[in-house]
Amino acid sequence: DARVTQTPRHKVTEMGQEVTMRCQPILGHNTVFWYRQTMMQGLELLAYFRNRAPLDDSGMPKDRFSAEMPDATLATLKIQPSEPRDSAVYFCASGFSQWASTDTQYFGPGTRLTVL
Amino acid sequence: AQSVTQLDSHVSVSEGTPVLLRCNYSSSYSPSLFWYVQHPNKGLQLLLKYTSAATLVKGINGFEAEFKKSETSFHLTKPSAHMSDAAEYFCVVSESIGNQGGKLIFGQGTELSVKP
Repeated sequence: DARVTQTPRHKVTEMGQEVTMRCQPILGHNTVFWYRQTMMQGLELLAYFRNRAPLDDSGMPKDRFSAEMPDATLATLKIQPSEPRDSAVYFCASGFSQWASTDTQYFGPGTRLTVL
Repeated sequence: AQSVTQLDSHVSVSEGTPVLLRCNYSSSYSPSLFWYVQHPNKGLQLLLKYTSAATLVKGINGFEAEFKKSETSFHLTKPSAHMSDAAEYFCVVSESIGNQGGKLIFGQGTELSVKP
């Protein structure tokens, strides 16, 4: 049963520290999404890749957040420096998309980040 | 631009009674629509999706949803609630980005409580 995996599952860090979250999409999927979920804002799309190329990162604070796909099996989301307001659950999702079609997105279990 | 509105932030039902979670969407063309479920401290799981085939869509765990274009609705139903159905439910519409495939637009979620 193919699944999206995310590491770490939980992260507690101090303000100012760098945080790196990793995601392994389902093999064969060509789209990867990063979401942030908080009680106040709900689910927000941070960044979106297709065939490893960033398509939309307008939801991401540019000064401290960065998202990359070093290869087809790994997506990373980095926060540097982290701030308490970054505390949230970060979800990665993957799917397969061709042209304008939209396929299902499959979500990972999330990384629960707490910045003290 | 596409959008989705979940009409109830919280729904409470008794075990064995029907479930109705309401969703209205806004789209300038025929959309793809999804329902996802999120159990506490878990990732999101796809319940069902509509992609312009049959208007009545059957999903997992006995859920189904009916696409009504005239009403711009995509309500989620289940004939008989089970305690394990208690979770947060998200209605989702896809938004195509030119020929680059779609990103998902999430509703604010409906929390379903099931009383014994």
